[in-house]
Amino acid sequence: AQSVSQHNHHVILSEAASLELGCNYSYGGTVNLFWYVQYPGQHLQLLLKYFSGDPLVKGIKGFEAEFIKSIFSFNLRKPSVQWSDTAEYFCAVTKGGSQGNLIFGKGTKLSVKP
Amino acid sequence: DGGITQSPKYLFRKEGQNVTLSCEQNLNHDAMYWYRQDPGQGLRLIYYSQIVNDFQKGDIAEGYSVSREKKESFPLTVTSAQKNPTAFYLCASSIRVPRRTGANVLTFGAGSRLTVL
Repeated sequence: AQSVSQHNHHVILSEAASLELGCNYSYGGTVNLFWYVQYPGQHLQLLLKYFSGDPLVKGIKGFEAEFIKSIFSFNLRKPSVQWSDTAEYFCAVTKGGSQGNLIFGKGTKLSVKP
Repeated sequence: DGGITQSPKYLFRKEGQNVTLSCEQNLNHDAMYWYRQDPGQGLRLIYYSQIVNDFQKGDIAEGYSVSREKKESFPLTVTSAQKNPTAFYLCASSIRVPRRTGANVLTFGAGSRLTVL
């Protein structure tokens, strides 16, 4: 079965540190890739997505992710985190030819110390 | 404002009781989804519906039921057959996307937290 793996369960950083959250998926065909974020007490919302084209995608709030097809990877990055980035981050995948049902990773909690 | 409304926000249930969680959207989306979120487990798909009067089981449909009589509404019933119902339930919706691509962006509601006593 297709799966999505997020390498870190909980990441703790100080403000201004750089961030990279790992995401790997198991499906070898055409995929659509997403990062969703859940800020404390808020709705789950889309951070960025990749459907096709440039494998380096930029999202809201200075986040970016790079799709590396050869290693089934879609890592999330931010050069300098802020306290307001404290949230839980979910990587998700849909398969080409599917009905768009998202398969989620288990999530990574990011805590940014002021 | 367009969005998804889930109710109730918090719900307590005794063992053996069925409960129904409401999900309403005014985004004119064709597709609706129910996910269950457990700590450390991510989100798992319970049921989804691409069109009115049609729905399919997701990965963890056992012990749940849904209906889709109206485009705007997709209620989820947690039955007494669900062995571990205490969880956070998220409803989502999206436009209907071409099956060829599967490219889809979901809009989520605020969630309903169910606790079985």
